[in-house]
Amino acid sequence: DVKVTQSSRYLVKRTGEKVFLECVQDMDHENMFWYRQDPGLGLRLIYFSYDVKMKEKGDIPEGYSVSREKKERFSLILESASTNQTSMYLCASTPLLSYEQYFGPGTRLTVT
Amino acid sequence: DQQVKQNSPSLSVQEGRISILNCDYTNSMFDYFLWYKKYPAEGPTFLISISSIKDKNEDGRFTVFLNKSAKHLSLHIVPSQPGDSAVYFCAAQGAQKLVFGQGTRLTINP
Repeated sequence: DVKVTQSSRYLVKRTGEKVFLECVQDMDHENMFWYRQDPGLGLRLIYFSYDVKMKEKGDIPEGYSVSREKKERFSLILESASTNQTSMYLCASTPLLSYEQYFGPGTRLTVT
Repeated sequence: DQQVKQNSPSLSVQEGRISILNCDYTNSMFDYFLWYKKYPAEGPTFLISISSIKDKNEDGRFTVFLNKSAKHLSLHIVPSQPGDSAVYFCAAQGAQKLVFGQGTRLTINP
């Protein structure tokens, strides 16, 4: 079974803090993705990566950055958290040339 | 610009009946479509998919229909069961990434 884990299920941070969300997958997948899920907006792609040290902007990259130093790990960074970044954050991975993405359980981030 | 739309935020169906979830898209370059199911406090899980060269794909109680001329796909669940109560997302594969709809919350009533 593919396993995608995220470092925290719930996180509360203050405005202006730097926030790290970690994602690890154990199936040697090449591709990894970060989404946020908001009511009425579905899943929106923040960043994705097709290989170590590679990154591509998704649809809503503003205010975020990512890091992929190892194949199994993809980190999402909020450089200076703001209240409008309060959301559910979902990480996903998929092998090369596959469309089916495997998701982690999500991190519910609240920025106060 | 919402390229994938699920116009019904919620749907309520009686147990044992058919559930039909709908999805519309605007980009004719999409070549693969997927449905995901999501329970609260869990990540989405893959349910069923269809290639743009097909018009139907069936897996047990779940069937996905694709109408390319109308740019419309639908997910049929029959018979519906209480465990089917969840949020359903349709997604379309575009250039290098999936584009998701807003989701439809399905509630199966006993």
